[in-house]
Amino acid sequence: SAVISQKPSRDICQRGTSLTIQCQVDSQVTMMFWYRQQPGQSLTLIATANQGSEATYESGFVIDKFPISRPNLTFSTLTVSNMSPEDSSIYLCSATDRTGELFFGEGSRLTVL
Amino acid sequence: SQQGEEDPQALSIQEGENATMNCSYKTSINNLQWYRQNSGRGLVHLILIRSNEREKHSGRLRVTLDTSKKSSSLLITASRAADTASYFCATEIRNTDKLIFGTGTRLQVFP
Repeated sequence: SAVISQKPSRDICQRGTSLTIQCQVDSQVTMMFWYRQQPGQSLTLIATANQGSEATYESGFVIDKFPISRPNLTFSTLTVSNMSPEDSSIYLCSATDRTGELFFGEGSRLTVL
Repeated sequence: SQQGEEDPQALSIQEGENATMNCSYKTSINNLQWYRQNSGRGLVHLILIRSNEREKHSGRLRVTLDTSKKSSSLLITASRAADTASYFCATEIRNTDKLIFGTGTRLQVFP
């Protein structure tokens, strides 16, 4: 199974700033995804990180707000831009292997003041 | 958008009892997966059941899938206090690789 490392694990940010979250997988995976989990809620898919091309965003999420990169098979970044308190959430990187099982990082807990 | 609705939203039982959680979904799927999340932690994959399977077991876990009703259930037998967590079903949408999560069930097992 893949091991996914995310950093930062948590951060406190000021309104209007941007933060980039990094995700590193220890083995080659087929797909990488970014999810958001707001306090007490389930996971919502933000986008699919595509290697070498623009990410595919779900309804309600746009590239200007959540730019995503995936320069190779094992690394991806998610930026939360121009943050507001409503962006306070846990952001989770995930990846699938050939079996279709989805593995998760421990998440990055963002608090926006 | 969320594909799955789970019930109950919360469940409290005593150690040794069985816990059953149900998941309903809306569209055709490749497979359905169950995950566990301890408070403030990442998600742990529990079990995957493919759309052509009806039942699957893993240790104390039993999962059923009824594609005609678009529903699944997770049974945890002989529960333990350590099973206290949130449980989520997630469906891989047919012809995509996307996994969409349900609303989750918070399970509390009292010793």
